[in-house]
Amino acid sequence: QKEVEQDPGPLSVPEGAIVSLNCTYSNSAFQYFMWYRQYSRKGPELLMYTYSSGNKEDGRFTAQVDKSSKYISLFIRDSQPSDSATYLCAMTMKTSYDKVIFGPGTSLSVIP
Amino acid sequence: DVKVTQSSRYLVKRTGEKVFLECVQDMDHENMFWYRQDPGLGLRLIYFSYDVKMKEKGDIPEGYSVSREKKERFSLILESASTNQTSMYLCASSFSPQRKYFGPGTRLTVL
Repeated sequence: QKEVEQDPGPLSVPEGAIVSLNCTYSNSAFQYFMWYRQYSRKGPELLMYTYSSGNKEDGRFTAQVDKSSKYISLFIRDSQPSDSATYLCAMTMKTSYDKVIFGPGTSLSVIP
Repeated sequence: DVKVTQSSRYLVKRTGEKVFLECVQDMDHENMFWYRQDPGLGLRLIYFSYDVKMKEKGDIPEGYSVSREKKERFSLILESASTNQTSMYLCASSFSPQRKYFGPGTRLTVL
């Protein structure tokens, strides 16, 4: 079993839809959970991160962590064509710079 | 605006060639990383460095080496390129485990 699993998509939604992106993981020691966005031919950029369980909101984006189920989600409200990108989840234990595990990414297209 | 730059966006090399990929960051970060990104496999860590002249192996170091002579510069070296090293190579720097700043990537093709 891979440490982090993510549906690769592609996911195609109409503009204005609510998008749900998800990852599951197996290592219960993970404490920091990140979402990166990667546009075509660019490097990933950090969208947001959460510590332990709970929700975090930033504008149209909400990150949710359920440690009991080992499941994290990123919700995008009122999706825009500019949200079309690949979304990578990532997670790490508290202090390890090198032990950040990335999911393979979900490709999202928002159709005008 | 923080910046990580990589020396080439696209590179085509022949099997057996020695390949140098360079990365420069302007954020004074101590930690720098080299990843490769392949479809379905996500980002895999090749090497990282937490200080000048220091290096640590990541998950897939075989066939690669690195050099960090200055704080802002981290180089990845493919000693003898092989076709299975065809990939997207991403450099990153960071000051915390949760936030990495990535360069635009180098798409390397080995023929």
